Amino acid sequence: AQSVAQPEDQVNVAEGNPLTVKCTYSVSGNPYLFWYVQYPNRGLQFLLKYITGDNLVKGSYGFEAEFNKSQTSFHLKKPSALVSDSALYFCAVRPSYSGAGSYQLTFGKGTKLSVIP
Amino acid sequence: ETGVTQTPRHLVMGMTNKKSLKCEQHLGHNAMYWYKQSAKKPLELMFVYSLEERVENNSVPSRFSPECPNSSHLFLHLHTLQPEDSALYLCASSQDNTVGADTQYFGPGTRLTVL
Repeated sequence: AQSVAQPEDQVNVAEGNPLTVKCTYSVSGNPYLFWYVQYPNRGLQFLLKYITGDNLVKGSYGFEAEFNKSQTSFHLKKPSALVSDSALYFCAVRPSYSGAGSYQLTFGKGTKLSVIP
Repeated sequence: ETGVTQTPRHLVMGMTNKKSLKCEQHLGHNAMYWYKQSAKKPLELMFVYSLEERVENNSVPSRFSPECPNSSHLFLHLHTLQPEDSALYLCASSQDNTVGADTQYFGPGTRLTVL
């Protein structure tokens, strides 16, 4: 079974500084990896995903994520944080094989990002 | 977010009530999902429908009963719930749930409180 770990419950960063939200995963075979963001009282909003190819994936709102197969990580990054980036961020993994259970998108517990003005 | 809508946004019910949650997707997708989001826990997949057929029931108690009358609509019927069922219930849709790279798009959720 696949799993996702987001080791930090909360990340605080000053506005304008770079931010990183960490994610590691465990899955059989090659992974498909996703990042979602959740603002208060809202649903999850898709940010970006890794399928194959370039290890650096660019997504919405200036976010990017780096896939590292040897470290089984998929950290979310942004060069310059905005106060409006403050939200809950979820990493998710899905196995690349198709078949029973392949639709299972497994989420981490989430990391609360606070950007301080 | 307007691609997937959910009603009501908030619901308070007693343990003996019967209520239903509604989800509608306007994205032309073939798969729909119900998730439960509780505080400090990962999202829990409850049900998956593909082309209106249920393909997954993730050991969900029978007091939760899903219904998918067509590929655009998904319901979650609730009866005799427990206080621990209080949570945010999220609906999602995707183009093809058998494709690994398939992206799920979420609605805003229904905040359910069971008294």
